[in-house]
Amino acid sequence: QKEVEQNSGPLSVPEGAIASLNCTYSDRGSQSFFWYRQYSGKSPELIMFIYSNGDKEDGRFTAQLNKASQYVSLLIRDSQPSDSATYLCAVTDSNYQLIWGAGTKLIIKP
Amino acid sequence: KAGVTQTPRYLIKTRGQQVTLSCSPISGHRSVSWYQQTPGQGLQFLFEYFSETQRNKGNFPGRFSGRQFSNSRSEMNVSTLELGDSALYLCASSLTQQGRYSGANVLTFGAGSRLTVL
Repeated sequence: QKEVEQNSGPLSVPEGAIASLNCTYSDRGSQSFFWYRQYSGKSPELIMFIYSNGDKEDGRFTAQLNKASQYVSLLIRDSQPSDSATYLCAVTDSNYQLIWGAGTKLIIKP
Repeated sequence: KAGVTQTPRYLIKTRGQQVTLSCSPISGHRSVSWYQQTPGQGLQFLFEYFSETQRNKGNFPGRFSGRQFSNSRSEMNVSTLELGDSALYLCASSLTQQGRYSGANVLTFGAGSRLTVL
């Protein structure tokens, strides 16, 4: 069964520090990788996506992909209390269907 | 540009009843996907519609069904409701059918319809 694994957390990070969120996947044929943020009581919203090995930066967010090790991570620099949310990792399988992780709850402490 | 609109936002039903939820995608988006979200199970894929045809289906019983209209609006129906159907039902739209095209799998979610079954 194709799986996407995330630590459920909560992950507690001091304000201003770097938050590191990790995601592993089982399907070696996966091609596209997405990070969504979901605030409590709201719907998920796309933060960024990555297709190629290496790093992709967008403002305070950096996605890192390592296909050989089958993991993708999201780094949030200069964490703010407004970053407190659940972060969902989604991966397309070899049939290009999205498989979702259960999410990591992130808490930024002032 | 209007986002994804879901109606109703909240509804309460009793066991055995049926419910219909509606989703209007972003203008120009032709694919609509439906998800069920519960605290214990996370996001579970129900089905995807593109060009009025169901393209993919998740592992849900036949009580869950959907359709898409020519204007890309979509509805999903749950018949013979069970207590376990209580959840947030999310609709997401994308430009085209999920697949190889790099932008196809970028989803924009609606606010959701929260269903409570008593």
